[in-house]
Amino acid sequence: QVQLVESGGGVVQPGRSLRLSCAASGFTFRSYAMYWVRQIPGKGLEWVAVISKDGSSTYYEDSVKGRFTISRDNSKSTLWLQMNSLRAEDTAVYYCARFETYYYGSGRTGNGMDVWGQGTTVTVSS
Amino acid sequence: EIVLTQSPGTLSLSPGERATLSCRASQSVSSSFLAWYQQKPGQAPRLLIYGASSRATGIPDRFSGSGSGTDFTLTISRLEAEDFAVYYCHQHGNSPPYPFGGGTKIEIK
Repeated sequence: QVQLVESGGGVVQPGRSLRLSCAASGFTFRSYAMYWVRQIPGKGLEWVAVISKDGSSTYYEDSVKGRFTISRDNSKSTLWLQMNSLRAEDTAVYYCARFETYYYGSGRTGNGMDVWGQGTTVTVSS
Repeated sequence: EIVLTQSPGTLSLSPGERATLSCRASQSVSSSFLAWYQQKPGQAPRLLIYGASSRATGIPDRFSGSGSGTDFTLTISRLEAEDFAVYYCHQHGNSPPYPFGGGTKIEIK
């Protein structure tokens, strides 16, 4: 069964750190780029970070750049999000998601996040 | 940088009606990179459409996507009870950022 399970969320004071984990199972983890996406309660989805299959390339949304670090260990099928210098505005549900690339005929491709975890809640509050 | 604007913000429709959702990009986006997601309350998002027009695995054929360039559309031909949810477009192109649209909520009229 293809599955992503996040953990590590909780309540943390502003300025502190938190590390989220995403355990993958049921598929070849190293074959997929991975995303972290967050959602402030009652608001829309926001991409946070994405990492390539081998971990050599990482990209971040501007508001978390320099504070958050996405990483992975393909031997453990695990994705992480290290969050430092947390702010109240980082309060959200954080989802990890598998990023799939589809190949059609005639050289066309498509992509999308086809497997999502259930989310873990991060609350930044004093 | 690319910004995705979804309209309308809320769509009030009855079961059986047709829903047409718009996603407009601030600059041209390859259709390969445009996806649509459905999210119900308390649940993670679900991939509906990738490559602007291809249905993901298990998605009913009442869902269809179209568009190119800066204008993309998600159409639900006949709304069923389980389709009342929030829908997001997203683009993952060759370079960041990789924004989501602000979402369209389909509510029961």
